[in-house]
Amino acid sequence: AQSVTQPDIHITVSEGASLELRCNYSYGATPYLFWYVQSPGQGLQLLLKYFSGDTLVQGIKGFEAEFKRSQSSFNLRKPSVHWSDAAEYFCAVPMDTGRRALTFGSGTRLQVQP
Amino acid sequence: DTAVSQTPKYLVTQMGNDKSIKCEQNLGHDTMYWYKQDSKKFLKIMFSYNNKELIINETVPNRFSPKSPDKAHLNLHINSLELGDSAVYFCASSQQGGLRPNEQFFGPGTRLTVL
Repeated sequence: AQSVTQPDIHITVSEGASLELRCNYSYGATPYLFWYVQSPGQGLQLLLKYFSGDTLVQGIKGFEAEFKRSQSSFNLRKPSVHWSDAAEYFCAVPMDTGRRALTFGSGTRLQVQP
Repeated sequence: DTAVSQTPKYLVTQMGNDKSIKCEQNLGHDTMYWYKQDSKKFLKIMFSYNNKELIINETVPNRFSPKSPDKAHLNLHINSLELGDSAVYFCASSQQGGLRPNEQFFGPGTRLTVL
């Protein structure tokens, strides 16, 4: 089965600073990869996804992610963080080939300091 | 107009009770899901239905019984509630098609507290 690991449980950045959230995947072939964001008390919203092709993926809210096969990583980045970006971020992959449900990482909680 | 809605948003109940959570999607999707998020924010799939047919059942106790009366609805009934059932339950939907998984749209969640 496919899986993802998010090594950072909690990250604090200052408003305006750059951000990188780490995600490592475990899968033999090229995986489908997703980043979701969960704002406090809310459901999850898709930020971006990678299926194939260009390894740098642009998403909503100014986020981007880069797929690096050599490092089995799909890190999420944002050049300048806004206070409204404070949320929980989840990396996800399909459970396994042909199954549509997602396996999520343990999440990274982002705190933004003024 | 809410895409995926769940009711109720909060549910507080006693151990041993039976309760239901309802989910509706107006996106025309053919696949719906129930996920459980525990107190550490860990999200795990419970069930998935495609065109009203159960396709994923992830070792969930049989006290949990999903029901899909039609493609737009997926309800979750829980019998004999236990303290460990306290969690946030998310409903999601997607349109299954082709080889690639499509985006899943999530509801706002139902926070279940068992006392």
